[in-house]
Amino acid sequence: GENVEQHPSTLSVQEGDSAVIKCTYSDSASNYFPWYKQELGKGPQLIIDIRSNVGEKKDQRIAVTLNKTAKHFSLHITETQPEDSAVYFCAASSNNDMRFGAGTRLTVKP
Amino acid sequence: GAVVSQHPSRVICKSGTSVKIECRSLDFQATTMFWYRQFPKQSLMLMATSNEGSKATYEQGVEKDKFLINHASLTLSTLTVTSAHPEDSSFYICSATTHTEAFFGQGTRLTVV
Repeated sequence: GENVEQHPSTLSVQEGDSAVIKCTYSDSASNYFPWYKQELGKGPQLIIDIRSNVGEKKDQRIAVTLNKTAKHFSLHITETQPEDSAVYFCAASSNNDMRFGAGTRLTVKP
Repeated sequence: GAVVSQHPSRVICKSGTSVKIECRSLDFQATTMFWYRQFPKQSLMLMATSNEGSKATYEQGVEKDKFLINHASLTLSTLTVTSAHPEDSSFYICSATTHTEAFFGQGTRLTVV
């Protein structure tokens, strides 16, 4: 089955700096890669996703890149703000089977 | 985006009692619903996968007689924690999917005292 690894587990940045979170996956059949933001006590919220036929996708300050050959994908947040502080999960999905990374706790210091 | 409603958001129950958690997809029909458990500062752990009208598929190590899942319609799935014990205290999250995308409920904080 799919195995998703996520790094780093914690990340602290200064407000305005960029943050990068990286994930690798094992199942070459995976074709959908969403990223979720989870705030304390709440369910995960989808923030951006990318499909296997696309290499990069951007939505304002958030971008995701996918390298299918190397089986890794990354989340990039630019101009970070304190409200970006949360836990971020990557996931890889094939045939409706979604597996999550372990999560990254991002702290943006004002 | 699509909305998944999960209730209750918080519940406290006594040991030995049962608790039911509901998960509804409000504006779409979910082909599949998933139930996750999350321990503090850890990732989401898949408990079971349920398809409407069929029995749920449980992940290894998850007791199906303890965590009863009913998926009565394309918009509703329920998780019942039976004979709850303090070690069942956790954050439970459901997700409902279309063919390719997953949407999550708000989660339920269960505390068993």
